[in-house]
Amino acid sequence: DIQMTQSPSSVSASVGDRVTITCRASQGISSWLAWYQQKPGKAPKLLIYDASSLQSGVPSRFSGSGSGTDFTLTISSLQPEDFATYYCQQVDSFPPTFGQGTKVEIK
Amino acid sequence: QVHLVQSGGEVKKPGASVRVSCKASGYTFTSYGISWVRQAPGQGLEWMGWVSGFNGNPNYVQQFQGRVTMTTDTSTSTAYMELRSLRSDDTAVYYCARSGELLGAYYCDYWGLGTLLTVSS
Repeated sequence: DIQMTQSPSSVSASVGDRVTITCRASQGISSWLAWYQQKPGKAPKLLIYDASSLQSGVPSRFSGSGSGTDFTLTISSLQPEDFATYYCQQVDSFPPTFGQGTKVEIK
Repeated sequence: QVHLVQSGGEVKKPGASVRVSCKASGYTFTSYGISWVRQAPGQGLEWMGWVSGFNGNPNYVQQFQGRVTMTTDTSTSTAYMELRSLRSDDTAVYYCARSGELLGAYYCDYWGLGTLLTVSS
């Protein structure tokens, strides 16, 4: 199975900050990568698919980039509602696998 | 709009079985599949498998092979996930999510609210 490693595991940031989360795949996955946001007690929400395509309805402050093994999720200006845990997921090879998550906390 | 409504929470004893349902609405059920993803308390997301809404064919993660069955009922647009020989470490929230087929990959674009399964003697 492809292993997905996110960094950092947690980040403290303030409203308005630019936040970048990294996801690394144990082998090349082309652009077959998604990013999800999960708030406590809620189901995950798809933010980005195909590494850089914004899911309908997701604010444009979220962006994704990368291909191959290294990917990033960027929040250009952190908003109060963005404090959550973020997961990457590869869908290149079966089974799809998730990263361990990155918690974005209030500084 | 797309909705996935899951069955209610369950408490089971070790060794028992559980079946979780996921009723879909707001889209053509047979044009997408359903992924099942679980999350143990305080832990990350674990993808368990997928079932086609078109023909009911499942694909399971190897660690669940032999213990899980995923099925669909197209007449009611409902997907089911049965997990057998339950252990305490199966305690988790189980999510269904629309996935695959027309999406072209196992992305999960709409999720149910989750079903809490507690396995305890």
